[in-house]
Amino acid sequence: AQRVTQPEKLLSVFKGAPVELKCNYSYSGSPELFWYVQYSRQRLQLLLRHISRESIKGFTADLNKGETSFHLKKPFAQEEDSAMYYCALHTGNQFYFGTGTSLTVIP
Amino acid sequence: DVKVTQSSRYLVKRTGEKVFLECVQDMDHENMFWYRQDPGLGLRLIYFSYDVKMKEKGDIPEGYSVSREKKERFSLILESASTNQTSMYLCASSLQTGMGEKLFFGSGTQLSVL
Repeated sequence: AQRVTQPEKLLSVFKGAPVELKCNYSYSGSPELFWYVQYSRQRLQLLLRHISRESIKGFTADLNKGETSFHLKKPFAQEEDSAMYYCALHTGNQFYFGTGTSLTVIP
Repeated sequence: DVKVTQSSRYLVKRTGEKVFLECVQDMDHENMFWYRQDPGLGLRLIYFSYDVKMKEKGDIPEGYSVSREKKERFSLILESASTNQTSMYLCASSLQTGMGEKLFFGSGTQLSVL
């Protein structure tokens, strides 16, 4: 079975502080992982994917196969980062999502 | 840019009604998906389709059916709406199955069943 776990439903940080949104997965094969984001009143959109090894809006995520994790990190949070974040696992032709973490950046 | 359009932003229906949610994508994508989004539960896959007239059940197909008669259109049908189907419904599409493929989402339909 494929599973994605996001242990934090809510996360609040102060502007300028580091932020880490946790994601753990359970999958027996070679995982393909993504982070999607939904800003207020906007549609869900891709933030980043592990195979690209990219940094988007200052966010990075490293796949750790030993710990089966794909945590999302940003060194200095901004107010515009406040949003709902979903970790997703792609296997075959299905995408499995975690329950989401609502991030609030306090000014 | 890819556009995924859901026909209604808000819908209010009565228990027992048959409900149709429509989704259209304009980029010739092979795969289309229907999710429901509930607070604390995240996105749960209802059905997906990888080709015209093909469909596969997701994690929560009970009480739903789908139709894909044309490549660009994927419809979700609630045969007899119930109050526990009150939710935000998201349609998504992707070009094809493969590494790096991403989902493009519609803006969602908030369905209330009274």
